[in-house]
Formats: sequence, structure tokens, C-alpha cells
Amino acid sequence: QKEVEQDPGPLSVPEGAIVSLNCTYSNSAFQYFMWYRQYSRKGPELLMYTYSSGNKEDGRFTAQVDKSSKYISLFIRDSQPSDSATYLCAMSVNDYKLSFGAGTTVTVRA
Amino acid sequence: DVKVTQSSRYLVKRTGEKVFLECVQDMDHENMFWYRQDPGLGLRLIYFSYDVKMKEKGDIPEGYSVSREKKERFSLILESASTNQTSMYLCASRGDRAGSQETQYFGPGTRLLVL
Repeated sequence: QKEVEQDPGPLSVPEGAIVSLNCTYSNSAFQYFMWYRQYSRKGPELLMYTYSSGNKEDGRFTAQVDKSSKYISLFIRDSQPSDSATYLCAMSVNDYKLSFGAGTTVTVRA
Repeated sequence: DVKVTQSSRYLVKRTGEKVFLECVQDMDHENMFWYRQDPGLGLRLIYFSYDVKMKEKGDIPEGYSVSREKKERFSLILESASTNQTSMYLCASRGDRAGSQETQYFGPGTRLLVL
């Protein structure tokens, strides 16, 4: 069993829809949770960073962490074609070595 | 802005060749990482370095070695390339400021094809 599970999709939604992405994990020692966005032929870039449980909002993006369920989510409101990318969840025990999910490919149709 | 550059975007090599992948960062970061990215498997850590001349094995170091002679440069070496090393290789760097929530900054990746 992988340490971090993420549905690879692909996910296709119309412009303006809410995109919901999630990851589950098995290591209860994870404390740092991240979402990266990766455009085609580019390296990943950090989108959201959360420490421990709770919600974090940044513009159209909301990250949620539920440590009791070992489940994290990313929501994208009012999705735009420019949000089309692969979204990778990542997590860490010590904010140093990261464990990544496989990534979910999202397409937002205009 | 942090900039992480990788020497090649695309490489084609033959089985058995020695392959060098170079990574340079311009932010004076202490920590550097090499990953490979494969469909369905995500990013897997090959090696990392927390200081010049220091290196640590990641999750999949077999068939790879690394070199860090200067702080800004971290090289990944495939001693004898094999077809199962065909992959996207990503380099990352990270600072080490105490008390900060530092993140890893990634380069654009090198897509390596081993024939």
C-alpha cells in the first residue's frame, strides 16, 4: 500500500465549476501538508501549505486537512481554463522529506 | 524569485551510457533534491543533500549517484543507464531558515529516454 493515495483522474469540469481533489494517507506522523500544481512540461509549484489540521483559504483555493481521518482536500472555486493542470498532494513528518501522491490531472473546459 | 535550472529539457541516451543531469539554484539554498516522476507513481525521491559534499539516499537510490561540490549545484549520475530509468527527472531546492515553513522549489525537469 502506498503511503499517500491520490486518484489520478483525469477530471474534466466545465468552466465555473467547483473542483474537488483529495488524498488519503497512512502515516499518522504527517504534520505538514501541501498541494502543488504542475502545468504540462513544467516543474511543480507550491499552491497551498497547511500545518496540522484545519482549513486554509487563498483566493479561489481552499485546502482542508482532517488528521483524524487521514484525509486532505483541495477545492477550486469558479474554475478557469488556466486551472487545467496536474495537482499533486504532498506531506511530511518534519517539513523536510516529502511524500507525494500520484497527481490528479484536471481539465477545465471553456 | 527562486530559480532552479536543469541543464537539459530532453535527453536521449543508449543503454549502458553514463548520464549526467545537472541542477543549479540561485537562492543560496542549503538543501537540494533529485526526484523522478512516473505516471501513476508520482514523485519519488532518489537522493538529497543538505550541505556541500553531503548526500543522503532517498527512497529509490539504486542505479544512481550524486555529487555536490558547490552549494548551488547538484548533479545526478546514472552510472550505466538502463531502459527502466526512462523518466522525468526533477530537481528541487529548499532553504533552511529556522522557524519558517520552507517549501521545495522545483526546476522544469529533464525528460530522459534510454534506448
